[in-house]
Amino acid sequence: KNQVEQSPQSLIILEGKNCTLQCNYTVSPFSNLRWYKQDTGRGPVSLTIMTFSENTKSNGRYTATLDADTKQSSLHITASQLSDSASYICVVGLNSNSGYALNFGKGTSLLVTP
Amino acid sequence: DAGITQSPRHKVTETGTPVTLRCHQTENHRYMYWYRQDPGHGLRLIHYSYGVKDTDKGEVSDGYSVSRSKTEDFLLTLESATSSQTSVYFCAISELATGGEKLFFGSGTQLSVL
Repeated sequence: KNQVEQSPQSLIILEGKNCTLQCNYTVSPFSNLRWYKQDTGRGPVSLTIMTFSENTKSNGRYTATLDADTKQSSLHITASQLSDSASYICVVGLNSNSGYALNFGKGTSLLVTP
Repeated sequence: DAGITQSPRHKVTETGTPVTLRCHQTENHRYMYWYRQDPGHGLRLIHYSYGVKDTDKGEVSDGYSVSRSKTEDFLLTLESATSSQTSVYFCAISELATGGEKLFFGSGTQLSVL
């Protein structure tokens, strides 16, 4: 079964600090990998999309990396802000003979404290 | 929110009753999706639509039906609600973006089946 595993499950950091969230996947054949941010009570919002050939992509203070060989991705948040408190979801796209599908991780819950 | 409106935002119903959730979009997107989000699970696809009257099942379609009679509206119906269908339901549309299609989600409907 195609799996997307995220770690840690939850994280608390001080405002201004950096943090890194991890995503390991077994999805094959791989198509793309996305990171989404989900604020409490809202729908997920796209942060980055990376294809097989890309190994890094930035969106402001968010930088995603991808190692397609080891099937690992990370999301690095620089100089965290209180508004970064949210759930971060890793999503891996699968492209096979039976069609295209998205596999969602369970998310990492980040709390940024003053 | 890419012009996506979900209604109602909150719904409490009793086991065995039919429930219909509505997703409305204003930007003429072809693809629309219904997901459910539960603690301990990633987002899971219920049904999707690739055009008016064109729909297909996702991974957790049992107990749900959908209809799309107009481009802008995608309805999700729980034919006879059960407690296991208590969940947060998200509608999404997709837009082509570099690296793959990008999903835009509505704000969700919190459904409680008592």
